[in-house]
Amino acid sequence: KAGVTQTPRYLIKTRGQQVTLSCSPISGHRSVSWYQQTPGQGLQFLFEYFSETQRNKGNFPGRFSGRQFSNSRSEMNVSTLELGDSALYLCASRGTSGGGEQFFGPGTRLTVL
Amino acid sequence: AQSVTQPDIHITVSEGASLELRCNYSYGATPYLFWYVQSPGQGLQLLLKYFSGDTLVQGIKGFEAEFKRSQSSFNLRKPSVHWSDAAEYFCAVGARAAGNKLTFGGGTRVLVKP
Repeated sequence: KAGVTQTPRYLIKTRGQQVTLSCSPISGHRSVSWYQQTPGQGLQFLFEYFSETQRNKGNFPGRFSGRQFSNSRSEMNVSTLELGDSALYLCASRGTSGGGEQFFGPGTRLTVL
Repeated sequence: AQSVTQPDIHITVSEGASLELRCNYSYGATPYLFWYVQSPGQGLQLLLKYFSGDTLVQGIKGFEAEFKRSQSSFNLRKPSVHWSDAAEYFCAVGARAAGNKLTFGGGTRVLVKP
């Protein structure tokens, strides 16, 4: 099976712009979670989608949003970018069978100038 | 709320020596526990997991971890380290009642000396 894919791998934006990141989960996986990784705050949970519904949300401002499509692909959007949004954004997918572990993609490196 | 502490930010170990990475968690019930590894510029790779049952779990790349409920710990071990084990290691806890949200520790960076 192909793993979790994320596009683009790298992005450079300026403050005030918005950005959309994409994640394709492992085939058959219906749960997609997003995490932000920064040197200062580490790995933090953003939100989780399951069958097109947001099932859980972390402690991030409303500028961070997401959605999931019927094919389980997910996008996250960050509006009005701030310098502090520079981070590695990781997507993880989880199946409904097995041990429930999450499989991570390679991430999207976002740099805000 | 759940939390994870990895007390060691950096560990340097000689190639061929043993490695132990510490992880302590806080959670009111029996959690799901994971160890992930991250190489520079890469995503996270799952090394092993604990859900229930045998408290000593085996993972990939020769790693193992032991769940100790009395100490709220889930330490990762490897008997003999290879240069390719140099990476950052993250312990994570998942609350059974909170869906798929993972709470991560701050990570331990492992350097391997030749």
